[in-house]
Amino acid sequence: QVQLQESGPGLVKPSQTLSLTCTVSGGSISSGGYYWSWIRQHPGKGLEWIGYIYYSGSTYYNPSLKSRVTISVDTSKNQFSLKLSSVTAADTAVYYCAREDYEDAYDYWGQGTLVTVSS
Amino acid sequence: SSELTQDPAVSVALGQTVRITCQGDSLRSYYASWYQQKPGQAPVLVIYGKNNRPSGIPDRFSGSSSGNTASLTITGAQAEDEADYYCNSRDSSGNPGFGGGTKLTVL
Repeated sequence: QVQLQESGPGLVKPSQTLSLTCTVSGGSISSGGYYWSWIRQHPGKGLEWIGYIYYSGSTYYNPSLKSRVTISVDTSKNQFSLKLSSVTAADTAVYYCAREDYEDAYDYWGQGTLVTVSS
Repeated sequence: SSELTQDPAVSVALGQTVRITCQGDSLRSYYASWYQQKPGQAPVLVIYGKNNRPSGIPDRFSGSSSGNTASLTITGAQAEDEADYYCNSRDSSGNPGFGGGTKLTVL
């Protein structure tokens, strides 16, 4: 059973960089065949796709966030990470990591982590 | 704003059938996947591809598509089906995107 777990600070100051890591267990990122994604949900709102990374390191980002987002992968630790720069209160959200399969379905999700942007 | 449109809220009587729809031009080219989200929990995949259910999802959940509309049907809705439902597919540029979500109330 694949499991994903987000970790990182729950509070980030405005203009700083939000950094989160997703640790994958029960399956290897480097086995290929899946895209490893970040998705967020603003309080009381819907889901927003942030971007994904393949085990090879190739990435694809939401155009609306592309200038501020970096997703990286560490296959030796079976982790992938999100960095979102120059954050504002509008970036306050629950951040999920998820696995996307070849049929564009997010079949496994982390539990989510709330990140609040506030001074 | 999302290029996938969902009704904000839908209600169904216990044991009856309900259809939740997702509209968007990209659905003419791509399948939708559907997610159930209960308060305080992560979304759960319930339907993907043409009409596939992950292991553990009851067979009362089914999916279909016609033209620019994808549908999630719950046949014989149960109290535990009360949740928010999101569709996911690609937008006109091929980027992944979610619908705005539908809040399902089981009466």
